[in-house]
Amino acid sequence: EVRLVESGGGLVQPGGSLRLSCAASGFTLSSYEMNWVRQAPGKGLEWISNISGSSIDTHYAESVKGRFTISRDNAKNSVYLQMNSLRVEDTATYYCASGRSCINGLCDDDLYFRHWGQGTLVTVSS
Amino acid sequence: DIQMTQSPSTLSANVGDKVTLTCRASQSIRTWLAWYQQKPGKAPRLLIYKASILESGVPSRFSGSGSGTEFTLTISSLQPDDFATYYCQQYNTYPWTFGQGTTVEIK
Repeated sequence: EVRLVESGGGLVQPGGSLRLSCAASGFTLSSYEMNWVRQAPGKGLEWISNISGSSIDTHYAESVKGRFTISRDNAKNSVYLQMNSLRVEDTATYYCASGRSCINGLCDDDLYFRHWGQGTLVTVSS
Repeated sequence: DIQMTQSPSTLSANVGDKVTLTCRASQSIRTWLAWYQQKPGKAPRLLIYKASILESGVPSRFSGSGSGTEFTLTISSLQPDDFATYYCQQYNTYPWTFGQGTTVEIK
C-alpha cells in the first residue's frame, strides 16, 4: 500500500523558515516525480513545486520561486520542502503527492497526482 | 498560466440525481485533465485522469469527458458519499493549475 506522511508543519513568524518532510512507503520513490500542493484555509488547491526522481529537474510556482526549495533523499524514501522568507499568505495545509513514474529515462504521462499524504498545517503569523 | 474555471461554484442536488460539473481551460490542454474529490479535513482523491479515464477503485457512476478547453465530470446517480468538493486540474503546461472547485451539497 502506498503511503505518504507529511511532517514539520507548525506556527512560524513572518520571515521565518520551516522544513517540511514527506515520508514515502509502499513504492519505489526514486522512480517517481514528487509534488507539493497546498491549500489555504477554506480555499482551493495550489500546486507549488515538483522534483524529478533523480533530483535533476525541479519546477516551482511563481508564488514560491526563490523562497522555497524542493529536494529528496531516495535512500531515506523522503521528499522535503525548505520554506524560507515565509509570508502570512503561505499559511496553508501542505500536501505531498506522487507524480509520474520514470524508469530508465522513459516517463509515463501520469503527471496528475495519484497518491496524497494527509497534509501538514503551516501557520505563518506574528 | 492556464486558468481553470469551474461551474457552478455550488450545486445543490438530491440523492439519485444526475449531476454535471463543468471545467473550462483558458487555452487548449488537449486531454491533460484530472478530476479530484475532496471531503472536509481530508486530502483530495483522484477520480479521473486524461479527461475520461476512471481511476482504479472509483465507482462507475463517475465519468469524465471533453478535450481542448471544455470538460465535464458527470455523476450518474448521486450517492450520499458523493457530497464533497470537486476540483479539476490541468497538467498540460507548467505551472499545473486547479479550478476553484465545485461543492456538491444536499438539496
